[in-house]
Amino acid sequence: DVKVTQSSRYLVKRTGEKVFLECVQDMDHENMFWYRQDPGLGLRLIYFSYDVKMKEKGDIPEGYSVSREKKERFSLILESASTNQTSMYLCASSSIRVEQFFGPGTRLTVL
Amino acid sequence: QQQVKQSPQSLIVQKGGISIINCAYENTAFDYFPWYQQFPGKGPALLIAIRPDVSEKKEGRFTISFNKSAKQFSLHIMDSQPGDSATYFCAASIPGNQFYFGTGTSLTVIP
Repeated sequence: DVKVTQSSRYLVKRTGEKVFLECVQDMDHENMFWYRQDPGLGLRLIYFSYDVKMKEKGDIPEGYSVSREKKERFSLILESASTNQTSMYLCASSSIRVEQFFGPGTRLTVL
Repeated sequence: QQQVKQSPQSLIVQKGGISIINCAYENTAFDYFPWYQQFPGKGPALLIAIRPDVSEKKEGRFTISFNKSAKQFSLHIMDSQPGDSATYFCAASIPGNQFYFGTGTSLTVIP
């Protein structure tokens, strides 16, 4: 079975802190994605990557950056966390044109 | 701008009844339409998917109906069970695998 793991299930940070969210997949998938999930807004794409060291902006990239140094790992970085970044963050991976597999999510609270 | 519009936002159905969730899209370049199911504390998981060359796909109690001319698709859950209580997301994909998700429907099946 495909497994997508995220480094933390729950995270509490303070405004202005730098936050790293890590995602690892074990199926050699080319594509990896970061979404945030908010009630009434569904899943919104932050960034995605089709290959190592490659990244593309999604619909809401402001305030975020990403890093993909290895194929299996995709990191989301909040350079200076703000309260409006309190959300559920979901990582996903997929092969080309096949379903996306999601991790369990990280619920981030910024105080 | 929401690429995929989903309704209703919430749905309450009696056990044994039919649950129906609707989605609409505008971009005719979409060629893959998955439905995801998400239980509390879990990431979304693929439930069923359809491509626009067929009008219906059935897997067990779950059916997707697809109307290409109306640019609409819907999920029907027959004989709904309390275990089906979850949040459901429709999505649409363009070639290149970027997914656009609906805002989600919270389904509650009452025993």
